Amino acid sequence: EVQLVESGGGLVQPGGSLRLSCAASGFTLSDHYMDWVRQAPGKGLEWLGRTRNKANSYTTEYAASVKGRFTISRDDSKNSVYLQMNSLKTEDTAVYYCARTAVVVGNYVFDIWGQGTMVTVSS
Amino acid sequence: DIQLTQSPSSLSASVGDRVTITCRASQGISSYLAWFQQKPGKAPKSLIYAASSLQSGVPSKFSGSGSGTDFTLTISSLQPEDFATYYCQQYKSYPLTFGQGTRLEIK
Repeated sequence: EVQLVESGGGLVQPGGSLRLSCAASGFTLSDHYMDWVRQAPGKGLEWLGRTRNKANSYTTEYAASVKGRFTISRDDSKNSVYLQMNSLKTEDTAVYYCARTAVVVGNYVFDIWGQGTMVTVSS
Repeated sequence: DIQLTQSPSSLSASVGDRVTITCRASQGISSYLAWFQQKPGKAPKSLIYAASSLQSGVPSKFSGSGSGTDFTLTISSLQPEDFATYYCQQYKSYPLTFGQGTRLEIK
């Protein structure tokens, strides 16, 4: 079964750091772009960033709201993708999802999502 | 950044109804648009990509159309399990962006 499972969420103080993990199973991680998306309580979806696949040298893209604070990395040998979050702010409180990007006839689309992990930034 | 505006923001409908949700992009995105369904406490589920192509396993009651700046998601013969929040998303350019969502409620 193709599956993504996030972990690492929790309560952190403003200014603190947290690293989220996304464990992939049922597919070859190195073939895929992987993304992180978050959703603040009661709000909509916000794309955070992407790591491209091995064929595209694992390059990354970030949303302006997290660029310089968040870093996406991956370890295909461990079937995992990571989101390192530094200098956390109260407005970073959200459920964080990882999502697999599939390439379908030139369309780069989210096809599989994890269940999400909650991050609360509060003193 | 490309902004996506969905309308309406909320919608009440009855079981058996046909509903249409609109997504307007602030600039042309060709057909690089996807639709997602999200139920409370759950992850989004992919419904449609390339504006009108159904993801595998998605029932044909869902259909999408449009290109350029104006897009629609139509759901026919609403069933109780279809009441959820729907989001459009563009993948024409970075940053990837989502519409604000349309909450579909039972009348």
